[in-house]
Amino acid sequence: EVQLVESGGGLVKPGGSLRLSCAASGFTFSSYTMNWVRQSPGKGLEWVSSINTNSDYIYYADSVKGRFTISRDNAKNSLYLQMNSLRAEDTAVFYCARDSKYSSGEFDSWGRGTLVTVSS
Amino acid sequence: DIQMTQSPSSLSASVGDRVTITCRASQDISNYLTWFQQKPGKAPKSLIYAASSLQSGVPSRFSGSGSGTDFTLTISSLQPEDFATYYCQQYNTYPLTFGGGTKVEIK
Repeated sequence: EVQLVESGGGLVKPGGSLRLSCAASGFTFSSYTMNWVRQSPGKGLEWVSSINTNSDYIYYADSVKGRFTISRDNAKNSLYLQMNSLRAEDTAVFYCARDSKYSSGEFDSWGRGTLVTVSS
Repeated sequence: DIQMTQSPSSLSASVGDRVTITCRASQDISNYLTWFQQKPGKAPKSLIYAASSLQSGVPSRFSGSGSGTDFTLTISSLQPEDFATYYCQQYNTYPLTFGGGTKVEIK
């Protein structure tokens, strides 16, 4: 069974940093493109970033470009999101999502999310 | 960026009703469209991919159609467990973008 478990969320002050992790199991992690998607409280879904299998194709939403860095460690079956210069508008539940094996950008599995709150 | 517009933003329906949700893309996305269901406090669950293909394990009362810019998600006979928010998402082009969601509530 595919499992994606996010961690690392919490309360951080504006301008602060946080590193999210996503632990993957139940599939060959190194064979899949992975993604971060966020959802602000009471709002819709926003794609944040994607990273392909060997980290040579990486994409970011304009809203996080230059502040967030996605990475992965295939040996540890883990996905990461380093978030710097955090703003109040970054407050959201952050989900880790797996691409399908057939199409880039099509998500077939999601984690349960980790809440990031940016507030003074 | 490709804008995804869903309608309606909410609807009230009864168990057994046929429900249709539409999603319009601001430019041609071929069939690179997926539909998700999300219940409060839960992760999204994929229902449909490639505009009309049912994900494994999803009940056959869910169906998707469309191509190009106009898409629909249909629930043929609404069940109690289907009350949720539904989102469309295009994966034709980065940045990946989502519709604003349609909340399906009990009438």
